[in-house]
Amino acid sequence: DSGVTQTPKHLITATGQRVTLRCSPRSGDLSVYWYQQSLDQGLQFLIQYYNGEERAKGNILERFSAQQFPDLHSELNLSSLELGDSALYFCASSVGRALAPQETQYFGPGTRLLVL
Amino acid sequence: AQKVTQAQTEISVVEKEDVTLDCVYETRDTTYYLFWYKQPPSGELVFLIRRNSFDEQNEISGRYSWNFQKSTSSFNFTITASQVVDSAVYFCALNGAGNMLTFGGGTRLMVKP
Repeated sequence: DSGVTQTPKHLITATGQRVTLRCSPRSGDLSVYWYQQSLDQGLQFLIQYYNGEERAKGNILERFSAQQFPDLHSELNLSSLELGDSALYFCASSVGRALAPQETQYFGPGTRLLVL
Repeated sequence: AQKVTQAQTEISVVEKEDVTLDCVYETRDTTYYLFWYKQPPSGELVFLIRRNSFDEQNEISGRYSWNFQKSTSSFNFTITASQVVDSAVYFCALNGAGNMLTFGGGTRLMVKP
């Protein structure tokens, strides 16, 4: 158990809908990262938040947005869902300096999203 | 740009065999960090090891060992005396000057009894 929690574990929804994925980092970690794992794209970095502020952005679609709240939990919002958004979405956390490639990122169990 | 290549998409071995998973990376950063993660059938990503670009010492942890060679940009992972519980997808990843992990495509290891 990494100490990172994600809810829900599974999510089934329809095209065009909007969903929110939630992540609670390990106790004391300030940085939260979101990754998408799909069959065709593999594991891809989406976005990072550090202590409430966006710090790095990867291949995140405009239909997707995220935020980190004062209690450090994070939410990833996916809107206007398409079939191709079906994937496993991981949240990771690290101790947290704003720029810290040396920090180990610990991953949550993921949220499996199926768009029908 | 960073890139991680795991050329072996799938490996099948019989229990107790040794197996090496290859990882080759590309980066322009002079300081960078390499990682291995394990993804068992249950789906979570489990951290195994972190190595920085200045430390080329091999590392051993039980049945696991890692060989980092900067000259060939490789960070290979060997499992000695494999067990069925080692069956998983293994990912090599790189973090350079930024905050994002760049993952390889993964190697699916199947250990048969």
